[in-house]
Amino acid sequence: DIVMTQTPLSLSVTPGQPASISCKSSQSLLHSDGKTYLYWYLLKPGQPPQLLIYELFNRVSGVPDRFSGSGSGTDFTLKISRVEAEDVGVYYCMQRMQLPLTFGGGTKVEIK
Amino acid sequence: EVQLVESGGGLVQPGGSLRLSCAASGFTFSGYWMTWVRQAPGKGLEWVASMKQDGSDKYYVDSVKGRFTISRDNAKNSLYLQMNSLRVEDTAVYHCARGWAPIYWGQGTLVTVSS
Repeated sequence: DIVMTQTPLSLSVTPGQPASISCKSSQSLLHSDGKTYLYWYLLKPGQPPQLLIYELFNRVSGVPDRFSGSGSGTDFTLKISRVEAEDVGVYYCMQRMQLPLTFGGGTKVEIK
Repeated sequence: EVQLVESGGGLVQPGGSLRLSCAASGFTFSGYWMTWVRQAPGKGLEWVASMKQDGSDKYYVDSVKGRFTISRDNAKNSLYLQMNSLRVEDTAVYHCARGWAPIYWGQGTLVTVSS
């Protein structure tokens, strides 16, 4: 199984400041079709997961452009350029390169 | 509007069974892979199972193989998860979702396995 490791476990951010979450996979997520099968989700209490970024860097329609995904191979980053109060929750990376689909352990983002 | 509504959760004793249902609307159900994902209390997300549009392919996480069965009825726009030989560690909110890396998810249904 591909192991997804996220850091940090939690993040406390002042509104308006940037935030960065790292995700590392135990195997490359770069497929022969050229796509990188890495996804980012946000989970808020009482709500289903919200897909933010798909295939490494593509923002889902309606997701603010302060969210961006980057990286390559086995090292990935989700960046929030200016954190807002509505961004609180737990962020998860997920790989779809190989079954079983696996998620990172999550990064909890709080507002200072 | 895409909607996914799960039902069938509840309290069950270890070794018992439950059948979860997911009613889909707002899209052509028969055109999509469907997936179950769970989240145990205080834990992260875990993929459980996925099923091809016509039901010809099914995949499961190892921890539920032989105990859980994913199925669908395209005529009824419904997805199911039959869960047998339930264990305490199966306690979780179970979400159905559209596709492999889903945009659309249901709110989830809570399954509690406890004596």
